[in-house]
Order: sequence, then C-alpha cells, then structure tokens
Amino acid sequence: DAGITQSPRHKVTETGTPVTLRCHQTENHRYMYWYRQDPGHGLRLIHYSYGVKDTDKGEVSDGYSVSRSKTEDFLLTLESATSSQTSVYFCAISPRTSGAGDTQYFGPGTRLTVL
Amino acid sequence: AQSVTQLDSQVPVFEEAPVELRCNYSSSVSVYLFWYVQYPNQGLQLLLKYLSGSTLVKGINGFEAEFNKSQTSFHLRKPSVHISDTAEYFCAVNLRDNQGGKLIFGQGTELSVKP
Repeated sequence: DAGITQSPRHKVTETGTPVTLRCHQTENHRYMYWYRQDPGHGLRLIHYSYGVKDTDKGEVSDGYSVSRSKTEDFLLTLESATSSQTSVYFCAISPRTSGAGDTQYFGPGTRLTVL
Repeated sequence: AQSVTQLDSQVPVFEEAPVELRCNYSSSVSVYLFWYVQYPNQGLQLLLKYLSGSTLVKGINGFEAEFNKSQTSFHLRKPSVHISDTAEYFCAVNLRDNQGGKLIFGQGTELSVKP
C-alpha cells in the first residue's frame, strides 16, 4: 500500500469555523490531489499540486484553499466551513512518471461534518 | 467537456453469478480509462486501467473490462462474484494530454453480493 495518511480521520465542526485537513505521504510522489466524495456525485477534484508551492484548482474549488510547503505534505483549508462542505475528503498521490495514465493512490479519507 | 456515466447506481447479485457494471464516457479527445474499487470505510484502489493496445484489460481479483471506442464504453465484468466483492465501484477518465492528471469520476455503482 502507498504510504498515505490523512488527519484527522473524523471531525465535527460548526459553521463559520476554519478547518485544516492534512495529507502526508512517504512515497516522494510529485503530484497530490484533494477530492471530495458525496452520494450521487462520485469523487470531485477540489485542488491539486504538481510540486512544492505549485497548485491549481479543480472542479469544485470555491471555499477551499491549499498549501504545499514540503513534498510530503498537502494541506486543505476550509476558511469558513459551511454545511455544504460536509463530506468525505480523500487525498491522492501520483508519481506522474508516465503522464496522464498514471495510477492515483488514495488515502483512507477524512469524514467532515459541519453543523 | 468530459463526463462519465455509470448506468446503474446499485447492482444486487447472488454469489457465484456473473456481473457487469456499465460505464459510458463522453469526450472529444482521446482518454485513458480506469476502474477503482472502494471497500466499506476505505479509500479507493485501482482495479484496472486502459491506456492503449488490447481493448480487453485484466485487473485484480478476477475483474476485466473492455474498451469500446465506437460506443464510448468501458464496462467492468467478473464471471463469478464472491461476497468479498461487495463494494462501490467507480469508473474514471483522464484526458491523454492532461498535464494535471485530473481524473473525472462517474457517480459510482454499489455492488451487493448476496449469499
């Protein structure tokens, strides 16, 4: 299994509070991704990173920001959490050695509930 | 824009029966195709992927999928399922020239294998 951990694994917070989720990898992979999973929508990309301090938006980036100061860590921040951000969040990594056909390896997920 | 449609949200099947999970995609350019599986309370893991060559792709746990370019489909099959195959299955596509590796997922199909 790829070495990917996410913290926290579960979090309950209140509307309007800031929340930061952490993804940590031990594989030294270049690409890292944040997805959210919601019933009926599959997984949707929030943001991704293609290197230290290099990030770009995904399909559902509004209300989220990311940072990557080290290869191994990719942080997802909800500046002011809303109930619509209640979801399961997955981090994924990819070596990008063969381009768009690379496999993405997923972490165990973080279940976030915004009350 | 690219999209992925999984035609069945739930598929109940008896143990040792064959199963097919259907996936259709829409894209004006060439794509790579993936099937991922998510066991309860876990992250996603790759079952198989089509990059090029033979249109019949074999994956882990006895699964296989066939790429049909004319019908823009990538259906997943297994000739005899086990209880342990109970999980959610996701079809995904990635554009061949996509530098960001941004997977586009279908809505998911819940496979429920009954004894």
